[in-house]
Amino acid sequence: ILNVEQSPQSLHVQEGDSTNFTCSFPSSNFYALHWYRWETAKSPEALFVMTLNGDEKKKGRISATLNTKEGYSYLYIKGSQPEDSATYLCAFRDNNDMRFGAGTRLTVKP
Amino acid sequence: ETGVTQTPRHLVMGMTNKKSLKCEQHLGHNAMYWYKQSAKKPLELMFVYNFKEQTENNSVPSRFSPECPNSSHLFLHLHTLQPEDSALYLCASSQPGTEDWAYGYTFGSGTRLTVV
Repeated sequence: ILNVEQSPQSLHVQEGDSTNFTCSFPSSNFYALHWYRWETAKSPEALFVMTLNGDEKKKGRISATLNTKEGYSYLYIKGSQPEDSATYLCAFRDNNDMRFGAGTRLTVKP
Repeated sequence: ETGVTQTPRHLVMGMTNKKSLKCEQHLGHNAMYWYKQSAKKPLELMFVYNFKEQTENNSVPSRFSPECPNSSHLFLHLHTLQPEDSALYLCASSQPGTEDWAYGYTFGSGTRLTVV
């Protein structure tokens, strides 16, 4: 994998459902993996920075895991709420650049 | 408010117009970035400034001209754009230094540009 790929592109869930999505990135020259939450008409907001293989981070109902050897990170949302509706971006950081995925657009229906 | 302010929020311009986008941060960051975001595509890096010096220009057409007069302000001057340049233009800042890869970027809310 040369680019950062996120799947699925979009996701619709019901309030209360748990959900997860994937970020795949190059497995070489890894420095950090960043997750951002981007609500419509607002700024992307930093969620997590992950640097070590096996890292797990948690903020409220949102958590993320990291596998640098195989080049993927999962973002989990437990008991989705309508206010979780946003685009979730991941970004791969090597020693030079920050490369972004196209994002997963999550819509949580009440 | 993240600390990075972009103006205007929306801009409609004709192909023969000249306009400028402005980005301002007072976070003490010394690196500033312009990104372009087109529908369903990843953020595309356009320009990077470190300590007011342009360090990266990602093969951006000359109709886009950046300016960084000081480490708090960044401009993107637009001239004779094409309809395909319509997109969201995001500014970001960060603090370069030791282990800066562990720190993310602070983004503005973007300027939604429409070229008619």
